[in-house]
Amino acid sequence: GAGVSQSPSNKVTEKGKDVELRCDPISGHTALYWYRQSLGQGLEFLIYFQGNSAPDKSGLPSDRFSAERTGGSVSTLTIQRTQQEDSAVYLCASIHQEASYNSPLHFGNGTRLTVT
Amino acid sequence: AQSVSQHNHHVILSEAASLELGCNYSYGGTVNLFWYVQYPGQHLQLLLKYFSGDPLVKGIKGFEAEFIKSKFSFNLRKPSVQWSDTAEYFCAVNARGNTPLVFGKGTRLSVIA
Repeated sequence: GAGVSQSPSNKVTEKGKDVELRCDPISGHTALYWYRQSLGQGLEFLIYFQGNSAPDKSGLPSDRFSAERTGGSVSTLTIQRTQQEDSAVYLCASIHQEASYNSPLHFGNGTRLTVT
Repeated sequence: AQSVSQHNHHVILSEAASLELGCNYSYGGTVNLFWYVQYPGQHLQLLLKYFSGDPLVKGIKGFEAEFIKSKFSFNLRKPSVQWSDTAEYFCAVNARGNTPLVFGKGTRLSVIA
């Protein structure tokens, strides 16, 4: 596709359930980010995948959060035992690895997660 | 690790007023600096960026930003705002090298007629 695709666009789940959020980056983009956007909190960095390097997980808020990227393309963010404070918009962004380090990120439309 | 501070949470301006949104970062090394914008109902998109050279950079839609190294600042400006500039604006920074891009908490701009 032409842009970064995220699914689902909306997810409502009960507290304590696990959720999986999916990101399809732009074809050829080998670097991928996950961010969380909450009201008043801006964009909170979660995790960064860059090619075959070990991911930078420094932003993950707890061990309930994990992410993987299979085949250097699609990424899945998993939140286990969801809590109400996990409610937010989860954004995925990709970037072309061969471009210069100052290239812009291409963002998806996000997944709005609501934990009830 | 680097961090970004945006001083204004919500700015309300009348059309044709001048705009300046503050952004400060904390990192002692060489950085790349960005402003992203999110219009209502749309995804984030790049407004402008700085990585080297002229510290005054010009972006789309008449926006510009000035990198002042001594102040660790990268403020966004526009001489005359329009109603269509109503959006949320995010400053972002990453250190040179393979480091993640860190965003500020954003500034919501409301332009009224």
